[in-house]
Amino acid sequence: AQSVTQPDIHITVSEGASLELRCNYSYGATPYLFWYVQSPGQGLQLLLKYFSGDTLVQGIKGFEAEFKRSQSSFNLRKPSVHWSDAAEYFCAVGASGGYQKVTFGTGTKLQVIP
Amino acid sequence: NAGVTQTPKFRVLKTGQSMTLLCAQDMNHEYMYWYRQDPGMGLRLIHYSVGEGTTAKGEVPDGYNVSRLKKQNFLLGLESAAPSQTSVYFCASSYSKKGGEQFFGPGTRLTVL
Repeated sequence: AQSVTQPDIHITVSEGASLELRCNYSYGATPYLFWYVQSPGQGLQLLLKYFSGDTLVQGIKGFEAEFKRSQSSFNLRKPSVHWSDAAEYFCAVGASGGYQKVTFGTGTKLQVIP
Repeated sequence: NAGVTQTPKFRVLKTGQSMTLLCAQDMNHEYMYWYRQDPGMGLRLIHYSVGEGTTAKGEVPDGYNVSRLKKQNFLLGLESAAPSQTSVYFCASSYSKKGGEQFFGPGTRLTVL
């Protein structure tokens, strides 16, 4: 069975500082990996996804993530955080077969201080 | 395109009452899903559908039923609401291709007293 761990429940960064959100997954084969963002009172929006190929993936809003098979990780990064990035971020892992089962992590809430 | 829409946005029920949440998508997606989101628990899959007329249980199906009579609609029913079903409910849809991203609705906040 697949699983996702986001070890940080809450992170606070200063505006303009760099950001890294951690995600570790468990899956027997090459996974499909996703990062979603959820603003308060909203649904989830896809930031980026990894299926295969280049292990550094670029997404929307200046985010990127790197797939590291040896560490079973898919960390999300942004070089300079904006106040509008304050939200909750979810990492997710998808199975490569079947009906598209996706397992979500418990989320990391990002606070941005001026 | 409206994407994925959900009605209602908010609802308060008393224990034992029933209700139906409606999800609609206009992207011609084959797959649809219902999740619940509770603090500290991420999203948990309640039921899903891989096509019109088909449904299947997810991770936490007890107390819920679903129907997908039309490809664009996916209904979630609570026959006898319980306080433990107080949550935010999200509907999502995706293409059937492998690894297809899921598109989410704005959510329904349900409180059961």
